[in-house]
Amino acid sequence: DGGITQSPKYLFRKEGQNVTLSCEQNLNHDAMYWYRQDPGQGLRLIYYSQIVNDFQKGDIAEGYSVSREKKESFPLTVTSAQKNPTAFYLCASSIQGRSLYEQYFGPGTRLTVT
Amino acid sequence: KQEVTQIPAALSVPEGENLVLNCSFTDSAIYNLQWFRQDPGKGLTSLLLIQSSQREQTSGRLNASLDKSSGRSTLYIAASQPGDSATYLCAVPRSNTGKLIFGQGTTLQVKP
Repeated sequence: DGGITQSPKYLFRKEGQNVTLSCEQNLNHDAMYWYRQDPGQGLRLIYYSQIVNDFQKGDIAEGYSVSREKKESFPLTVTSAQKNPTAFYLCASSIQGRSLYEQYFGPGTRLTVT
Repeated sequence: KQEVTQIPAALSVPEGENLVLNCSFTDSAIYNLQWFRQDPGKGLTSLLLIQSSQREQTSGRLNASLDKSSGRSTLYIAASQPGDSATYLCAVPRSNTGKLIFGQGTTLQVKP
């Protein structure tokens, strides 16, 4: 089955710790995205990558980092510098990073930091 | 700056009713518009993608229309069922990029 997987589904961390969220796709898509979803605020773009070894900041990149070493993988690290990390994180991909193409989403990771 | 708005935020209807969900955007120069469904605690499922050159798209009981000149899109759900209960989100890309701008969503409840 082709699709996007995110792991883990739930993640709990203590304040001050870095944590990495996994996102893998087997759709052979070039572009991948990370969004954050908070109640009442909708989805906001954190980082995106249009091609391997290249990525750009989205609207709320502060306190986050990413890498894109392989086409199928786009992990997101939530660092201790992120002031309010508790949220639902969604990974997405599309054929290319152009507007013509439909975006597909993974099942999400709910991160709780206490 | 593009803004996307969905009204109402919540909607409750009896089973079998036809309904319309609304999505408006401030900049009519969009490349396409995508409708998604999200179940509680889950990811987004793409329902329909309407390109800027299209007026509507259909998938089963769903029909999405696009009127760029008025900055509006509607998602029509025919013969609603309890299984349609979810949050519906619309999104448009920022310029000619894959970066989506989302509305806040409409949470639909279909009562048996």
